Amino acid sequence: DQQVKQNSPSLSVQEGRISILNCDYTNSMFDYFLWYKKYPAEGPTFLISISSIKDKNEDGRFTVFLNKSAKHLSLHIVPSQPGDSAVYFCAASALANDMRFGAGTRLTVKP
Amino acid sequence: NAGVMQNPRHLVRRRGQEARLRCSPMKGHSHVYWYRQLPEEGLKFMVYLQKENIIDESGMPKERFSAEFPKEGPSILRIQQVVRGDSAAYFCASSPRDRPYYGYTFGSGTRLTVV
Repeated sequence: DQQVKQNSPSLSVQEGRISILNCDYTNSMFDYFLWYKKYPAEGPTFLISISSIKDKNEDGRFTVFLNKSAKHLSLHIVPSQPGDSAVYFCAASALANDMRFGAGTRLTVKP
Repeated sequence: NAGVMQNPRHLVRRRGQEARLRCSPMKGHSHVYWYRQLPEEGLKFMVYLQKENIIDESGMPKERFSAEFPKEGPSILRIQQVVRGDSAAYFCASSPRDRPYYGYTFGSGTRLTVV
């Protein structure tokens, strides 16, 4: 069962513009959400997270928005840089248990 | 602190052989998670272990796959009688239980190729 969905397998943006990556979930018990970034031949690395008690969390160029009523979260990267090109995974956790990941979105930032 | 160490990085097995994948969690981390990434797919949860205990194995195939995390030594993911469909990247992650909301730290993965 796919409890976390990333419906866009790929996204291409121009350097300097905003990248918006989307994620939907079905399990209303999820209370913590994370974004991971993955380069080829490497393990995923933690990027940013948000608790269900918040609707926004910002860290530098990265902002995560959570809409609990819609069971939707998004990651905004602004301005986008070529080094941001990677696969981004959305993940969700219920009650601090193991995380479930989406299928990932491959972001390409063109110079 | 070397982070989460997985070995081998690459593993080639013939159909029917056994594959053993090892994961040493970060120092101080007592919780280990295994994920599998099939080609062109996302990360699929397999199993969650604490020392000497399997907490959640709901993502493990019912046959041929097993995992352990002994009191001493690394966590082992074992695949018996491998088939071509087992070819994938296997990632291990660890976390400190007392700070679950920091997310997991992943290793670099083991890429299993079954020929």
